[in-house]
Amino acid sequence: GAVVSQHPSWVICKSGTSVKIECRSLDFQATTMFWYRQFPKQSLMLMATSNEGSKATYEQGVEKDKFLINHASLTLSTLTVTSAHPEDSSFYICSGKTRSDTQYFGPGTRLTVL
Amino acid sequence: GESVGLHLPTLSVQEGDNSIINCAYSNSASDYFIWYKQESGKGPQFIIDIRSNMDKRQGQRVTVLLNKTVKHLSLQIAATQPGDSAVYFCAEMFDGGATNKLIFGTGTLLAVQP
Repeated sequence: GAVVSQHPSWVICKSGTSVKIECRSLDFQATTMFWYRQFPKQSLMLMATSNEGSKATYEQGVEKDKFLINHASLTLSTLTVTSAHPEDSSFYICSGKTRSDTQYFGPGTRLTVL
Repeated sequence: GESVGLHLPTLSVQEGDNSIINCAYSNSASDYFIWYKQESGKGPQFIIDIRSNMDKRQGQRVTVLLNKTVKHLSLQIAATQPGDSAVYFCAEMFDGGATNKLIFGTGTLLAVQP
């Protein structure tokens, strides 16, 4: 199957700082990438849909100015958590969509904000 | 404050037994369904999918059943092995406008006893 990577896999930062997470499709072109957030023992919650070369579409309740998404190429999308606070600590997962509707997920990034 | 909803439903089975994991989906307009397996600290891994024009699909050791009348999906795992221990999510896809969205269910923790 197609491979999606994320970097970093784990990050700890101080409250008030910004953190960038990268999502790459390694062996396919993803015109659409998705960003999810997952709290412990809970399901994945869709945050935003990112189409290459256009602005991301955010789900209701997700602050676009806090979670900046850039999808500059067919293989790379980035999520920047700006002015992070402890409540932003979570597991962030991206996925890339192939030409069919199949989504391939990255391994996730664990963010801990102190 | 007190948190709610932090306890995943758990299915405990003996190694070698068959497992059945159930899922109720929400949107009658959903036309594509996927089962994912998520191991601790990792991203979701595709297991099997089914489209709404089918009611059963089989893979290797896994079978997915779809009952559109009651909006119910199930995943059957034959001869369950310790390596099957994980959280299993069903996901439904429906037309989200420009891009189809994947919405995840709450998840079930499968614990395989040796």
